[in-house]
Amino acid sequence: EDKVVQSPLSLVVHEGDTVTLNCSYEVTNFRSLLWYKQEKKAPTFLFMLTSSGIEKKSGRLSSILDKKELSSILNITATQTGDSAIYLCAVEAGGQNFVFGPGTRLSVLP
Amino acid sequence: DVKVTQSSRYLVKRTGEKVFLECVQDMDHENMFWYRQDPGLGLRLIYFSYDVKMKEKGDIPEGYSVSREKKERFSLILESASTNQTSMYLCASSFPLPLGGVGEQFFGPGTRLTVL
Repeated sequence: EDKVVQSPLSLVVHEGDTVTLNCSYEVTNFRSLLWYKQEKKAPTFLFMLTSSGIEKKSGRLSSILDKKELSSILNITATQTGDSAIYLCAVEAGGQNFVFGPGTRLSVLP
Repeated sequence: DVKVTQSSRYLVKRTGEKVFLECVQDMDHENMFWYRQDPGLGLRLIYFSYDVKMKEKGDIPEGYSVSREKKERFSLILESASTNQTSMYLCASSFPLPLGGVGEQFFGPGTRLTVL
């Protein structure tokens, strides 16, 4: 059975801290791994990763995939209160099968 | 700007009622998806459709059906609502990638359904 695990499930930090969110997966026929940020409503897309070792960066956020370790990390540097959200990791496996992890709830305190 | 809209933000129904959740996207996406999101379980795929009149079961299709008569519209139907279908329902759409696969999905705002 395809599975995506995220850790930690919940994290509380102060503004300015750097955080690392983890995602690991066990799927057949891996195609891609995606990160989403979900605030009050719909998840919004952050990154799509298909190749191992290539860092994707957007402002203070960056992510990298390790296909050997079947995992990915999402880094957020100099966190702000606006980064408070649930961060979802999703893996697309063979047969257009899309599996989401449970999410990491990040709270950034002023 | 991609826009995915869902017919209701909040819905309250009674056990046994038939429920229709509608999703419309304006980007001519081939793929459309229905998920439910429950605390601690993440998003779980109910059904997806890769073209008009085409559908595939996801992880948890039991108790649900779908309809895709037009490319822009994907409906989720609960034939006889039950209390365990109380959840947040999210619709999404995407283009297929050139070499296969789904790629980035764009999500609607969600419908919070309560079944009493």
